[in-house]
Amino acid sequence: GAGVSQTPSNKVTEKGKYVELRCDPISGHTALYWYRQSLGQGPEFLIYFQGTGAADDSGLPNDRFFAVRPEGSVSTLKIQRTERGDSAVYLCASSPGKDTQYFGPGTRLTVL
Amino acid sequence: GNSVTQMEGPVTLSEEAFLTINCTYTATGYPSLFWYVQYPGEGLQLLLKATKADDKGSNKGFEATYRKETTSFHLEKGSVQVSDSAVYFCALSDRTGANSKLTFGKGITLSVRP
Repeated sequence: GAGVSQTPSNKVTEKGKYVELRCDPISGHTALYWYRQSLGQGPEFLIYFQGTGAADDSGLPNDRFFAVRPEGSVSTLKIQRTERGDSAVYLCASSPGKDTQYFGPGTRLTVL
Repeated sequence: GNSVTQMEGPVTLSEEAFLTINCTYTATGYPSLFWYVQYPGEGLQLLLKATKADDKGSNKGFEATYRKETTSFHLEKGSVQVSDSAVYFCALSDRTGANSKLTFGKGITLSVRP
């Protein structure tokens, strides 16, 4: 079946701009996670959704970052006033509720 | 807080060599442990997992045993292939309620030469 998809695959933006990154999880998966992977590092947790609600947003670095999942399926990660330090690969993962998470291919964000 | 430490890389091996990639962790409670793999140009994939002490996870010839006494989850393979060339990440989940957020190590690049 279809896996987790993320769009766009690449996003180049200028410092100070607003960006939205989209995640389509595996159908029926109630849990959704966002991670950020900087060059040469492992992914770092950003936010966790159970259904429509953000159950844990402790990993969001500051209030420029926000994520929604209004219907309990697709999620959008929103970054305001982007900074060069936001450049990274943003990963989305979904889970049926047990341990295993299924990752999407990621969105590579470059802030010039 | 939780943390995962992986041995420094990169690692380069000849085909059919024995592989060990070390991983140790710090966590409260009883985490689940994972190895994820990222092949060139592809996304992260779960390689294997273990959910309690002394469990052994295995897949594609790779194995790792959950050692609570040494807080380790070392990855091993008896005979590597060129196709095993990838980046390997050790990770843990402390499963606070339904939240299974992962804490990853830095990853290690494995290159296998023919």
